[in-house]
Amino acid sequence: DTAVSQTPKYLVTQMGNDKSIKCEQNLGHDTMYWYKQDSKKFLKIMFSYNNKELIINETVPNRFSPKSPDKAHLNLHINSLELGDSAVYFCASSQWGRGAFFGQGTRLTVV
Amino acid sequence: KQEVTQIPAALSVPEGENLVLNCSFTDSAIYNLQWFRQDPGKGLTSLLLIQSSQREQTSGRLNASLDKSSGRSTLYIAASQPGDSATYLCAVEGNAGNMLTFGGGTRLMVKP
Repeated sequence: DTAVSQTPKYLVTQMGNDKSIKCEQNLGHDTMYWYKQDSKKFLKIMFSYNNKELIINETVPNRFSPKSPDKAHLNLHINSLELGDSAVYFCASSQWGRGAFFGQGTRLTVV
Repeated sequence: KQEVTQIPAALSVPEGENLVLNCSFTDSAIYNLQWFRQDPGKGLTSLLLIQSSQREQTSGRLNASLDKSSGRSTLYIAASQPGDSATYLCAVEGNAGNMLTFGGGTRLMVKP
């Protein structure tokens, strides 16, 4: 049973397209995140949600819109994709003080 | 704003060596610190979680220490093996509990 699962694992798309990445956690955690890992492998927070409410939005372009339909899901929709959006996107969840668990990542390639 | 630094950025050692990876953070007001392992093209696997009130945690050949007042943590790997080759990341969770701040990672290569 995968604790944090995200789909798809790979996504190749053209510039200007709109795409979504889905994330689900079965750990019962209250907090979910989206992180971006750039080409230098540095992980940076994009969004943090707690009980379906947006807590953190770290200067991410408004082309990126997270949606949390319920506590177990946090999806990421990206409009008008640009070459610079190519990266690996990680979903994670945590319960305060118990550590974070990460999905396997979605490798997005914009061509 | 919290900043996390990991030294060295890369490390290559022969099999069997004991080694230490370092992590430092600028704001000591943390709730916990977590060490992760990332294999190429894979996700992050949690290795050890140290609460701010703890000094160390151990799991098998891994031992992580935390000195919150000085803003430092170390990950000690005993008797390294080629299978330990990966990138090791440390991350701190602030007292607000809303996010992890990551270091840049240490890329470890253990040669047979």
